[in-house]
Amino acid sequence: DGGITQSPKYLFRKEGQNVTLSCEQNLNHDAMYWYRQDPGQGLRLIYYSQIVNDFQKGDIAEGYSVSREKKESFPLTVTSAQKNPTAFYLCASSIKGSGRAYEQYFGPGTRLTVT
Amino acid sequence: AQSVAQPEDQVNVAEGNPLTVKCTYSVSGNPYLFWYVQYPNRGLQFLLKYITGDNLVKGSYGFEAEFNKSQTSFHLKKPSALVSDSALYFCAVVGMNRDDKIIFGKGTRLHILP
Repeated sequence: DGGITQSPKYLFRKEGQNVTLSCEQNLNHDAMYWYRQDPGQGLRLIYYSQIVNDFQKGDIAEGYSVSREKKESFPLTVTSAQKNPTAFYLCASSIKGSGRAYEQYFGPGTRLTVT
Repeated sequence: AQSVAQPEDQVNVAEGNPLTVKCTYSVSGNPYLFWYVQYPNRGLQFLLKYITGDNLVKGSYGFEAEFNKSQTSFHLKKPSALVSDSALYFCAVVGMNRDDKIIFGKGTRLHILP
């Protein structure tokens, strides 16, 4: 899983509560990404950031928010507006966001269960 | 719009036999193509990529993939499968347009039978 850490590994929340997932990297990568993985659906991009203090919505940003105050950190908040938040969340980074030839390095993931 | 397809949800191969995991893509212009592997409850690991040059790309753990432009395919192959190769494999593609983002396939679960 390289130099990307995600915490916690498992997270349980009650419906209606906001929850923040941590993602930290020590690879000195400019770009960071958040994906959601559901069985049989592959990975879907939630948000991505190509540089500090800047981020863009991905394909399924509704109900999520992010910040990028430091190069090393890209936390994801799952808000109560997200209608189906139970999923496996993956954080990734790459050397540059604009360099599409660069592979992504993934963290170990956080499995969020909302009841 | 760019897309990637992995037509097989699951592939079963006997240990020691060659394996192929299929991937086809659709992008405007020339693609960047990737294969990743995911073990249970883990993040994805990069296996190999095609950017340009030789159509046969070699990657980690003895895997290779062949870029076929006429068939718009990028199948993952290994000459002799190991039980430890059992995992979920994802193909991904990025187009060459400035705003193109990486698109992942839905994944193919590979079972290597002892």
